[in-house]
Amino acid sequence: AQTVTQSQPEMSVQEAETVTLSCTYDTSESDYYLFWYKQPPSRQMILVIRQEAYKQQNATENRFSVNFQKAAKSFSLKISDSQLGDAAMYFCAQGGQGNLIFGKGTKLSVKP
Amino acid sequence: GAGVSQSPSNKVTEKGKDVELRCDPISGHTALYWYRQSLGQGLEFLIYFQGNSAPDKSGLPSDRFSAERTGGSVSTLTIQRTQQEDSAVYLCASSLRGGAYTEAFFGQGTRLTVV
Repeated sequence: AQTVTQSQPEMSVQEAETVTLSCTYDTSESDYYLFWYKQPPSRQMILVIRQEAYKQQNATENRFSVNFQKAAKSFSLKISDSQLGDAAMYFCAQGGQGNLIFGKGTKLSVKP
Repeated sequence: GAGVSQSPSNKVTEKGKDVELRCDPISGHTALYWYRQSLGQGLEFLIYFQGNSAPDKSGLPSDRFSAERTGGSVSTLTIQRTQQEDSAVYLCASSLRGGAYTEAFFGQGTRLTVV
């Protein structure tokens, strides 16, 4: 069975600093994707970044990057130069042949 | 429409009543997912539709929950004999093609309150 674990229920970062959110997963599939989604208070889920499991190169999207360790089944999200607008719930997700499974989320606070 | 649309946005119902939640996915998206999000919690998978294949119902918490997808488009999640523990936000998402290889686009959810 697929599982996604986010071990940090809450994190806090100072504005302009860097923060890393952790995620581990377990799957028996050889071909899969990993995702980080952001959910602000508006409740709208927004895709932050996506990683294809067959790619060794870590994905980056502007201030957001991942550290994908396939053997360790680890997929952490690094947010650089944190901004007040980054404050939200962040969900890690894993998808493949079947459905899309989410972790329980990490609530990120950004201090001015 | 341009995005995933869910209705109603909010629903208050009395314990024991049946409710229907609607999801209009993005046109052309073959995959559709339903999730439940309790207050401050993660997304609990409920059911997954992919094209004409039999849906994956493995996440439905009880036989009071059911869902259908008509014509490969609109989906309805039905909760019978609602209980207070059913109170949550119900999120629908769709994606372009099979499996979960492409980005899932989410609606804004239906907040269900059972009183």
